[in-house]
Amino acid sequence: GAGVSQTPSNKVTEKGKYVELRCDPISGHTALYWYRQSLGQGPEFLIYFQGTGAADDSGLPNDRFFAVRPEGSVSTLKIQRTERGDSAVYLCASSLTGTGLQELAIADTQYFGPGTRLTVL
Amino acid sequence: GQSLEQPSEVTAVEGAIVQINCTYQTSGFYGLSWYQQHDGGAPTFLSYNALDGLEETGRFSSFLSRSDSYGYLLLQELQMKDSASYFCAVRDRDSGGYQKVTFGTGTKLQVIP
Repeated sequence: GAGVSQTPSNKVTEKGKYVELRCDPISGHTALYWYRQSLGQGPEFLIYFQGTGAADDSGLPNDRFFAVRPEGSVSTLKIQRTERGDSAVYLCASSLTGTGLQELAIADTQYFGPGTRLTVL
Repeated sequence: GQSLEQPSEVTAVEGAIVQINCTYQTSGFYGLSWYQQHDGGAPTFLSYNALDGLEETGRFSSFLSRSDSYGYLLLQELQMKDSASYFCAVRDRDSGGYQKVTFGTGTKLQVIP
């Protein structure tokens, strides 16, 4: 079946502008994660949705970042007043049940999308 | 907070065996995962250990020692296509009480002929 998809694949914007990044998870996956990855680094956790609600948004760097998942499927990451330091690859991942609900002995396998490369000039 | 350490780079010969280590410091530890990421690609899940011991999946094996806060990924019969970055990721409970997954900085594996 279809995997996780993200649009756009690339986004170039100017400092101060507003951007929206979209994630379409695997059908039936209740958990959705947003990560940010800079060159040579591991994925950095931003926010985790269980269904429609943000179960954990502790990774959002500041109030310029916001994410929604209104119907429990597609999610949008919104960044206001972009800064050059926001440039990175933004990864979305989905999993069947999420770390909060899965039995601990069973892997909460996260399926990643291809990412959106955001460049802020 | 959580912290993970893994070597930044490893080089190994095609057909050989390589071990990528990961040490972690965290509270409320639940399990350790490994992900593979090729340049320009998305991370893909390889393995998960919640209990001490070795888990084998084909050419890849993963080991965990909870008492030592240590794990490793073992790749056997290396192939050129195994050249990629490998991330360990801990599943734990943070200060807010949430279970989450925290990724290490990754080990770039280069397989040479």
